Amino acid sequence: DVKVTQSSRYLVKRTGEKVFLECVQDMDHENMFWYRQDPGLGLRLIYFSYDVKMKEKGDIPEGYSVSREKKERFSLILESASTNQTSMYLCASSAPTSGSRYEQFFGPGTRLTVL
Amino acid sequence: SQQGEEDPQALSIQEGENATMNCSYKTSINNLQWYRQNSGRGLVHLILIRSNEREKHSGRLRVTLDTSKKSSSLLITASRAADTASYFCATGANSKLTFGKGITLSVRP
Repeated sequence: DVKVTQSSRYLVKRTGEKVFLECVQDMDHENMFWYRQDPGLGLRLIYFSYDVKMKEKGDIPEGYSVSREKKERFSLILESASTNQTSMYLCASSAPTSGSRYEQFFGPGTRLTVL
Repeated sequence: SQQGEEDPQALSIQEGENATMNCSYKTSINNLQWYRQNSGRGLVHLILIRSNEREKHSGRLRVTLDTSKKSSSLLITASRAADTASYFCATGANSKLTFGKGITLSVRP
């Protein structure tokens, strides 16, 4: 059974803290994605990665960075958390497009609250 | 940038009725996908339709695509209370998807 896991379901942090959100997939997928989801705004892409050590900015990368040192793991980093980064964070992975498999598999999400 | 826009924003129906949800988009696509999200959970892929397809079925789901109108519809037949969820359309031009804001479907028992 394919699986994408995220390190925490709920997280509470203080303003200014450095925050790490971890995502691991067991499907040997090349592509991995980080989204944030806010009421009324839907899912917005923060960063994505097509391969190990490769990353590309999505639509809202400001205030975030990512790390992909291993194929199965994609980390989202909030360098200095702010209250406007309170949100639901969703990780996803997918196989390469060459295989005609565009479907994304999602983790359960991390609800982050920044106080 | 948001590509897909779903309509309506919210839908409430009685169990057993059909639910129709619409999605419009703006630019050329390779495929369009529909996802479901149960409250507080991650998204689950429902169905994918390619740009050269017009209709596709999967169980109680039927999706259509009209590339000339840049629109798609998702039909859920014989709805069940368990279909209560948010539904998102997503358009893909490559590995990257752009999601709409979602439709909240409530199915009353």
